[in-house]
Amino acid sequence: SQQGEEDPQALSIQEGENATMNCSYKTSINNLQWYRQNSGRGLVHLILIRSNEREKHSGRLRVTLDTSKKSSSLLITASRAADTASYFCATDEGGGNKLTFGTGTQLKVEL
Amino acid sequence: NAGVMQNPRHLVRRRGQEARLRCSPMKGHSHVYWYRQLPEEGLKFMVYLQKENIIDESGMPKERFSAEFPKEGPSILRIQQVVRGDSAAYFCASSPRSSGTVNTEAFFGQGTRLTVV
Repeated sequence: SQQGEEDPQALSIQEGENATMNCSYKTSINNLQWYRQNSGRGLVHLILIRSNEREKHSGRLRVTLDTSKKSSSLLITASRAADTASYFCATDEGGGNKLTFGTGTQLKVEL
Repeated sequence: NAGVMQNPRHLVRRRGQEARLRCSPMKGHSHVYWYRQLPEEGLKFMVYLQKENIIDESGMPKERFSAEFPKEGPSILRIQQVVRGDSAAYFCASSPRSSGTVNTEAFFGQGTRLTVV
């Protein structure tokens, strides 16, 4: 089955709430990245976490990585309507030269 | 420093025609990747190129699809004799080195949305 599967597929929350998205993968990796895609647009890189890191912060974003469980989570705190987008995790499949993306989580933040 | 530039943004082709998608990487980036995204799905890797070399084309369909990254000019993804199933968004990404290297992120363009009618 596919590497980098996100959970949930869709998430709807109220502005100000926190949003948590999870990603699982199957083989060893050097790093894991999270991207955001607004409807009909390109991907914007959010954060990269290396395999020897457990947690990383960037503004309202918090990413964790558990290599023993082969999973990562993305937490967006104090969400805003502008955070409405699809969020994808991507892995490098153990050092390969391509990124493998999951199917994404569609986040909707309502006013 | 302009980002990754893709053109056209939208492309409509009739079945059997050829589609040419262009990608200019960020300045100083010598690695280009092409991905395809079907509706409601994630991106699927197609091909990885460096200047004048195809490094990994494991995601490319065996027929009708080709890619190049010449010494001068943009990278081109070419689809011959398009069929309706080719309708998708095609994204290009560039990086200063292989994305297999730790601490390297890929920068994506806005994509070309191909519609085959």
